Amino acid sequence: DAGVTQSPTHLIKTRGQHVTLRCSPISGHKSVSWYQQVLGQGPQFIFQYYEKEERGRGNFPDRFSARQFPNYSSELNVNALLLGDSALYLCASSLESFVDNEKLFFGSGTQLSVL
Amino acid sequence: GEDVEQSLFLSVREGDSSVINCTYTDSSSTYLYWYKQEPGAGLQLLTYIFSNMDMKQDQRLTVLLNKKDKHLSLRIADTQTGDSAIYFCAERNDYKLSFGAGTTVTVRA
Repeated sequence: DAGVTQSPTHLIKTRGQHVTLRCSPISGHKSVSWYQQVLGQGPQFIFQYYEKEERGRGNFPDRFSARQFPNYSSELNVNALLLGDSALYLCASSLESFVDNEKLFFGSGTQLSVL
Repeated sequence: GEDVEQSLFLSVREGDSSVINCTYTDSSSTYLYWYKQEPGAGLQLLTYIFSNMDMKQDQRLTVLLNKKDKHLSLRIADTQTGDSAIYFCAERNDYKLSFGAGTTVTVRA
């Protein structure tokens, strides 16, 4: 079975541009979460979506947005890119809304470089 | 609070045991996780423990939890070169994980 898949694997953008990152959860998983990992740090929570609705948002500006589609895949959008947005963006999925003893499984990430 | 702290580096000889330490601050019942990240890769879930447990063992991995001190450790027995990676401790707060900065484990021959 395929794990969490993300595309693209690498992306280079310039300041002020817009970017869309894509994620497909493990088959049967209904929840997708997005995390940002800056070099040398642990991942930071950005969003969680469950059954196509936003359940939670981390401390990120409104330039960051996301959505979940009927097939449970998800997109993360970032507008007006800043140099500081350069990071590894990780998508994770869980069977339900990540409660009780559920596990959270991560994809390999999209490495975004902003020049 | 959501601060998770880890020591940054650990060097261990092949065949020895590795012990990676972590402290967390959330006082409510929660789940605590260990993830492994190899260069250029995402996070691989290794194991997890509920905060009312003291210990969990899974093959070469042993997790110890000291609830009083909010201290979590991951012991890897018979450390191999393939165990070289960054290890992250994380605590769950509702629907999200709060991660430490990661411990870089280097296994030397």
